[in-house]
Amino acid sequence: ETGVTQTPRHLVMGMTNKKSLKCEQHLGHNAMYWYKQSAKKPLELMFVYSLEERVENNSVPSRFSPECPNSSHLFLHLHTLQPEDSALYLCASSQRLGGTGNQPQHFGDGTRLSIL
Amino acid sequence: QKEVEQNSGPLSVPEGAIASLNCTYSDRGSQSFFWYRQYSGKSPELIMFIYSNGDKEDGRFTAQLNKASQYVSLLIRDSQPSDSATYLCAGLGSYIPTFGRGTSLIVHP
Repeated sequence: ETGVTQTPRHLVMGMTNKKSLKCEQHLGHNAMYWYKQSAKKPLELMFVYSLEERVENNSVPSRFSPECPNSSHLFLHLHTLQPEDSALYLCASSQRLGGTGNQPQHFGDGTRLSIL
Repeated sequence: QKEVEQNSGPLSVPEGAIASLNCTYSDRGSQSFFWYRQYSGKSPELIMFIYSNGDKEDGRFTAQLNKASQYVSLLIRDSQPSDSATYLCAGLGSYIPTFGRGTSLIVHP
């Protein structure tokens, strides 16, 4: 039980499809994050929300659209993705922005996305 | 460009040996450093953090920080096969952590 739940765990979609990834945290945290994890590459921060307001958009293409309706839920809407977008998408949350040693980021198990 | 560099490995050590994982960072503004362990198909899990120069020990794990050399390391004593995983190093400056690509550790019996 990680406290951060992501659905679906696996997603296969065509380049013209529209889908959404969902993240829910049960930890009462104030900050939530989307990361992209590709093989042999560092974890890439995509978006950061603090108290439902976006505080960071790390030059992510517009085909990725985040939504944070409340502090417990985070979505990533996907539209006309490219094959290079195939990766593991991780959601994380923390009590404070960036996390601390005593209150670190907690990660979900991720959604494995494959673009055909 | 803030970067955290790690050798991707794999680092292979025999059971019972000391595993040494290394990380360098470019952002001198980074104040805190984290080591996460990630098993295949699972989420990263924080195992150590350090923000002062020197060593910090927690059980079989020791984190070492040298801010002058911009170097962070993680030592795992008495390595076990269950320690086999990818270890991610991250630095935190303002509020956005920067991660390395991770080092794969294999502990063989």
